[in-house]
Amino acid sequence: AQRVTQPEKLLSVFKGAPVELKCNYSYSGSPELFWYVQYSRQRLQLLLRHISRESIKGFTADLNKGETSFHLKKPFAQEEDSAMYYCALRPLNDYKLSFGAGTTVTVRA
Amino acid sequence: KAGVTQTPRYLIKTRGQQVTLSCSPISGHRSVSWYQQTPGQGLQFLFEYFSETQRNKGNFPGRFSGRQFSNSRSEMNVSTLELGDSALYLCASSLEGIDTGELFFGEGSRLTVL
Repeated sequence: AQRVTQPEKLLSVFKGAPVELKCNYSYSGSPELFWYVQYSRQRLQLLLRHISRESIKGFTADLNKGETSFHLKKPFAQEEDSAMYYCALRPLNDYKLSFGAGTTVTVRA
Repeated sequence: KAGVTQTPRYLIKTRGQQVTLSCSPISGHRSVSWYQQTPGQGLQFLFEYFSETQRNKGNFPGRFSGRQFSNSRSEMNVSTLELGDSALYLCASSLEGIDTGELFFGEGSRLTVL
């Protein structure tokens, strides 16, 4: 069975500082990884997925199969990045999405 | 384009009762998936439907069931409610299926079991 671990429940950084949200997963096959974000009073929404290799809102995430990690990074945090972030995994050829427990990010001025 | 709509938004039930939650996906979306969100467990996958077929189910007891209609609207039902079923139930729709990864979430139905 697959499992997604986000070790940090809370993360506080200053504006302009780098931010990194950790995500580790356990799955024996090839997974597809995602980051979802929920801003205050908004719906949960997709931020990025590993297969697209895009940078969204300055965030990037690299899938490291050796370390089974998919950490989310941004070099210069902004106040509008304050939100709840969820890492999620989908096994290829399966119709199930497993989420981590989430990390609440607060960016201080 | 209207987003995913969930009804009711809030409801209170007592132990032993049953509840039905409804989800209307974005027009044209054929896949609907359901999740239970609690402070302790986070987001947990309940099931996914595509063109009226359940393609996968999470690790929940048989008291949790769902269905999808021909217009892609979906309902989930929880019978014999327990206190631990208190949660926010989220529905998400997707154009082609959960395998595309791009899910559009509703605001959720908050269930309180007394």
